[in-house]
Amino acid sequence: AQSVTQLGSHVSVSEGALVLLRCNYSSSVPPYLFWYVQYPNQGLQLLLKYTSAATLVKGINGFEAEFKKSETSFHLTKPSAHMSDAAEYFCAVSEDTGFQKLVFGTGTRLLVSP
Amino acid sequence: DTEVTQTPKHLVMGMTNKKSLKCEQHMGHRAMYWYKQKAKKPPELMFVYSYEKLSINESVPSRFSPECPNSSLLNLHLHALQPEDSALYLCASSQDQRGRNNEQFFGPGTRLTVL
Repeated sequence: AQSVTQLGSHVSVSEGALVLLRCNYSSSVPPYLFWYVQYPNQGLQLLLKYTSAATLVKGINGFEAEFKKSETSFHLTKPSAHMSDAAEYFCAVSEDTGFQKLVFGTGTRLLVSP
Repeated sequence: DTEVTQTPKHLVMGMTNKKSLKCEQHMGHRAMYWYKQKAKKPPELMFVYSYEKLSINESVPSRFSPECPNSSLLNLHLHALQPEDSALYLCASSQDQRGRNNEQFFGPGTRLTVL
């Protein structure tokens, strides 16, 4: 079975600072990885996805993630945090057990202070 | 139109009530999903429909009954729920149920409270 681990249930940054949200995966096959964002009382929105085409993936809202096979990681970064980035972020790996199933990490809440 | 809509946004029901949650998408997707999300937890998959047929039932209690009337609509019928069923219920859709690179599009969710 595949899984993802998100280190840090909460990450606090100042506005303008670098954002780094960590995700490590475990997979017996080449993984397909996703980052989703969830704002309060809303559904999930896809930020970006890795599907083996390129190791550096650019997403929406200035976010990007780098796939590192040697480290089994897919960390999410943004050079400069904005107040509107405050939200819950989920890393997910896609399984195919006859159908596509997203296996989510436990989530990281990003707090941005002025 | 890249939107998944869900109604109602909020629902409060008693343990003896029968209610339904509705989900709609017009992206031509053939796979639709129901998730349950408790506070401060990731979404948990409940059901998957593919081409209007139930593909996956992740051991969900029978008090939850999904229905897919057509390729654009997905309902979740609720009956005799328990207070621990209070959660955010999310609907999602994707182009197909196969293919690990499929993006799932999520609706805004229905916040359900069971008294």
